[in-house]
Amino acid sequence: GAGVSQSPRYKVAKRGQDVALRCDPISGHVSLFWYQQALGQGPEFLTYFQNEAQLDKSGLPSDRFFAERPEGSVSTLKIQRTQQEDSAVYLCASSLAPGSNYGYTFGSGTRLTVV
Amino acid sequence: GQQVMQIPQYQHVQEGEDFTTYCNSSTTLSNIQWYKQRPGGHPVFLIQLVKSGEVKKQKRLTFQFGEAKKNSSLHITATQTTDVGTYFCAGQEGAGNNRKLIWGLGTSLAVNP
Repeated sequence: GAGVSQSPRYKVAKRGQDVALRCDPISGHVSLFWYQQALGQGPEFLTYFQNEAQLDKSGLPSDRFFAERPEGSVSTLKIQRTQQEDSAVYLCASSLAPGSNYGYTFGSGTRLTVV
Repeated sequence: GQQVMQIPQYQHVQEGEDFTTYCNSSTTLSNIQWYKQRPGGHPVFLIQLVKSGEVKKQKRLTFQFGEAKKNSSLHITATQTTDVGTYFCAGQEGAGNNRKLIWGLGTSLAVNP
């Protein structure tokens, strides 16, 4: 497709449940980022992939968070044993290459609510 | 660690008035990007500034990058209701494969018709 696609758009999880969030970046985009955005806040960096390599996962808040991009295209962010503080919008962004002048293209996000 | 401060947090203007948001980094940036996020939407890339002292214009929007590459501003001339949203600056750390963005908290703009 023409843009970054994320699914599901909305997810309600019971506390303790595992969730998996999917991101389909723009075809050919090398760089892929996951961000977490709480209400009224700016996006907070979670992790970065260059192709299939996860080059930076310093933003993942705990070992309950895990991301992968096994074939260098689609990425999945998995959260195990969800907690209420995990409730946020999870944004995926991709860019053509590191240092691209075209910025990052964001998906519409997945709004996760943990009850 | 690197921080990016953005002011003001909120701005409420009458349609036709000008608007400016300022971004300041604690360290020198390799470049800075600006994004706009409409209520309920996702960030949309506006522009990237790379050179010291760079000024770029997009219609009524003027973007500046400071000489020291530590601060930046976005100025909107004669605001319109379509300008409503939150404007984020995001500074990029230095060269290398990891081009992580450090985001400001954003300036939320409200425009009265």
